[in-house]
Amino acid sequence: EPEVTQTPSHQVTQMGQEVILRCVPISNHLYFYWYRQILGQKVEFLVSFYNNEISEKSEIFDDQFSVERPDGSNFTLKIRSTKLEDSAMYFCASRQGQHGELFFGEGSRLTVL
Amino acid sequence: SQKIEQNSEALNIQEGKTATLTCNYTNYSPAYLQWYRQDPGRGPVFLLLIRENEKEKRKERLKVTFDTTLKQSLFHITASQPADSATYLCALDDSNYQLIWGAGTKLIIKP
Repeated sequence: EPEVTQTPSHQVTQMGQEVILRCVPISNHLYFYWYRQILGQKVEFLVSFYNNEISEKSEIFDDQFSVERPDGSNFTLKIRSTKLEDSAMYFCASRQGQHGELFFGEGSRLTVL
Repeated sequence: SQKIEQNSEALNIQEGKTATLTCNYTNYSPAYLQWYRQDPGRGPVFLLLIRENEKEKRKERLKVTFDTTLKQSLFHITASQPADSATYLCALDDSNYQLIWGAGTKLIIKP
């Protein structure tokens, strides 16, 4: 069964460092998303991506965040200068159409020290 | 703006009984409402989707209802098992085709 894959599963970084989280969405999907979940809290939307551009972003997705789909398969989230409060689980998700089932990856746990 | 409310307290159910979880929304009725399961440290997994013109949807031991008058969806697990213990998330599409998520309800099935 096709699945969304994310790497790394866990990353520990120092405050102020750049981090890149990688995702490979399901191959025939067209809509891509990044979410984050701080431990014990709800899933929070960061950004959606369609047709090689950002379609929507939340207030959380400020200038320190960026997304890219460099090669037609990978979908990356970059955090330029990490802060302590960026520590969270980051989930990539994709779906075929504008509606319907969202397929999530297993997440990348980011710990900022 | 649209908000979703799910019971924040954990729901404890005896094995074999029916578990019922509630999802209330505050504003317009969404075209689609979805339920997901999330286990600790894992990504949410899709369970069921119900459209605004559907009253009920079933899948094996799962049943979802959608009442646009009450602005509520109920999620039922019949013949519950300890393996059903997880956090269950309600999500609905907003006008920009983004999913708005509830905080989830933790379900604990006791043997």
